[in-house]
Amino acid sequence: GQQVMQIPQYQHVQEGEDFTTYCNSSTTLSNIQWYKQRPGGHPVFLIQLVKSGEVKKQKRLTFQFGEAKKNSSLHITATQTTDVGTYFCAGHSGNEKLTFGTGTRLTIIP
Amino acid sequence: EAQVTQNPRYLITVTGKKLTVTCSQNMNHEYMSWYRQDPGLGLRQIYYSMNVEVTDKGDVPEGYKVSRKEKRNFPLILESPSPNQTSLYFCASSLQGVTDTQYFGPGTRLTVL
Repeated sequence: GQQVMQIPQYQHVQEGEDFTTYCNSSTTLSNIQWYKQRPGGHPVFLIQLVKSGEVKKQKRLTFQFGEAKKNSSLHITATQTTDVGTYFCAGHSGNEKLTFGTGTRLTIIP
Repeated sequence: EAQVTQNPRYLITVTGKKLTVTCSQNMNHEYMSWYRQDPGLGLRQIYYSMNVEVTDKGDVPEGYKVSRKEKRNFPLILESPSPNQTSLYFCASSLQGVTDTQYFGPGTRLTVL
């Protein structure tokens, strides 16, 4: 079945440093979504990418969808303490099953 | 307020004692699903439902049942819970399917002794 891996599993950064998480799928994805889960909370939708090579920005966050639609990345510039949490990618390959990545937990050192 | 609610939020039970976790959404969404979250494994889909009376297996359906008799409700049933079903469970809903934003409930932390 479809597998979606994320690396790294954990990332500790100093406040103000940049952060990147990578998402890799075993199959070509129709689209990819990104979610953020704060500690003790539930996943919250951030963005969806649909087109091959698409790049979207939300303030300090930059999302990319690979040309082959099998990988994606989320980059945060100049991290802040409010960025703490676990970031998940999620995709599907044409059916109605949504497969989430394993997640990257970001912690910020003040 | 648009939301997905789950009950109970926390549950400790014993092996073999049937339980139901309820999920309800007030957004008139057609698509609903259940996930379990375990450390290092991310969120894994258990079951999903495209609409009333339409349900299908996700990636980890063994040991679980669901029903969708009404559009707003999607209960998760564990007929004979086992310790390996100890996990954090999330219900989610979206307007029509996987290409729409998934709205998650607050989660249910289940411990099976």
